[in-house]
Amino acid sequence: RKEVEQDPGPFNVPEGATVAFNCTYSNSASQSFFWYRQDCRKEPKLLMSVYSSGNEDGRFTAQLNRASQYISLLIRDSKLSDSATYLCVVTSGGSNYKLTFGKGTLLTVNP
Amino acid sequence: NAGVTQTPKFQVLKTGQSMTLQCAQDMNHNSMYWYRQDPGMGLRLIYYSASEGTTDKGEVPNGYNVSRLNKREFSLRLESAAPSQTSVYFCASSYGYTGTGIQPQHFGDGTRLSIL
Repeated sequence: RKEVEQDPGPFNVPEGATVAFNCTYSNSASQSFFWYRQDCRKEPKLLMSVYSSGNEDGRFTAQLNRASQYISLLIRDSKLSDSATYLCVVTSGGSNYKLTFGKGTLLTVNP
Repeated sequence: NAGVTQTPKFQVLKTGQSMTLQCAQDMNHNSMYWYRQDPGMGLRLIYYSASEGTTDKGEVPNGYNVSRLNKREFSLRLESAAPSQTSVYFCASSYGYTGTGIQPQHFGDGTRLSIL
């Protein structure tokens, strides 16, 4: 099983839609979880950290399920500017300093 | 608000040439990282430096060397470039591990390297 697995998509949704991404991870000892977004030919940028109790930042909601080892990202009221690749990021096994990045899920929001 | 600065942004090399990619951060971060990103492969860690004075191999270290010059700077060197090293290289930095867990990484805008 890969350390971090994501559905590559692409997800094509209309403006205003709600879209959800899931990500599974293999290391049950992972402590830290993040969602990053990456625009085409740009650097990854931190979208939000994922906390055990779940957390929300505006239209974005992140959830963590430790028992099933998956994290999710929900985007409500999608905007054209949300079009990007979303990367699931998890602490690497055996290290307190390394992160493992998923390959990303491509989202396109259409007018 | 420079954050993480990488130089150069673009470079074309011939097979066998050497070069050094430079990275500097001004956020007083302890840890620094070098990744490469290839189509379909995602981000892969080459080397990292958990703190000033230490460096460790990541997932794909072969063909690369690094130097943590000081707290701000972390360079990546290709001693004898090969076409397989054509990629986009990202440098990142973070506070590393704290009492609340590993902290998120902040990325430079990348170096696009082509090796002919």
